[in-house]
Amino acid sequence: QQQVKQSPQSLIVQKGGISIINCAYENTAFDYFPWYQQFPGKGPALLIAIRPDVSEKKEGRFTISFNKSAKQFSLHIMDSQPGDSATYFCASRVRATDKLIFGTGTRLQVFP
Amino acid sequence: DTGVSQNPRHKITKRGQNVTFRCDPISEHNRLYWYRQTLGQGPEFLTYFQNEAQLEKSRLLSDRFSAERPKGSFSTLEIQRTEQGDSAMYLCASSLAMSEGTEAFFGQGTRLTVV
Repeated sequence: QQQVKQSPQSLIVQKGGISIINCAYENTAFDYFPWYQQFPGKGPALLIAIRPDVSEKKEGRFTISFNKSAKQFSLHIMDSQPGDSATYFCASRVRATDKLIFGTGTRLQVFP
Repeated sequence: DTGVSQNPRHKITKRGQNVTFRCDPISEHNRLYWYRQTLGQGPEFLTYFQNEAQLEKSRLLSDRFSAERPKGSFSTLEIQRTEQGDSAMYLCASSLAMSEGTEAFFGQGTRLTVV
């Protein structure tokens, strides 16, 4: 039973544009919402994360927006660059275990 | 190297053979996780340890799968009688258990191909 839904499945953005990826969760036992970036043949790497008591977090070109009442959160990549081309996964962490439930991933391609 | 290390990086095996993967977590991390990732999907939780104790196992972890963390440091994941459906990337992650939780750091994974 999938508990984290992610969209879109793929995204094509021109260099300098904004990339937006959305996730929705169902389980209220989640206490932390990270985004991971994965390049082919590599393990996922933590990109940015947010706790549910915060509505927005920004780190450089990356911003997470969090809507607790709607159980939704999104990743915005400003000024997208070709080097951002990767697969992005949202995740939700189960309280007290640190176990992560991942979304299905979004393959981002940024063209120059 | 201060990251999570996994060996081997790639493994090709014939159906029915047993395979074992190793994970060395970040040294001060007391939690260690195994995930499985198939092509085009997100990682799926398999099991996790706190120190040497295995605290949770997913229903995905059939009786052909066994994981150990004998001294609370490195961990091994063994798959017996491999099947073609076991072909996947096996990812290990580690974290430091704290009251507010910490980030999990992933290794590069072991890609298993069962032929």
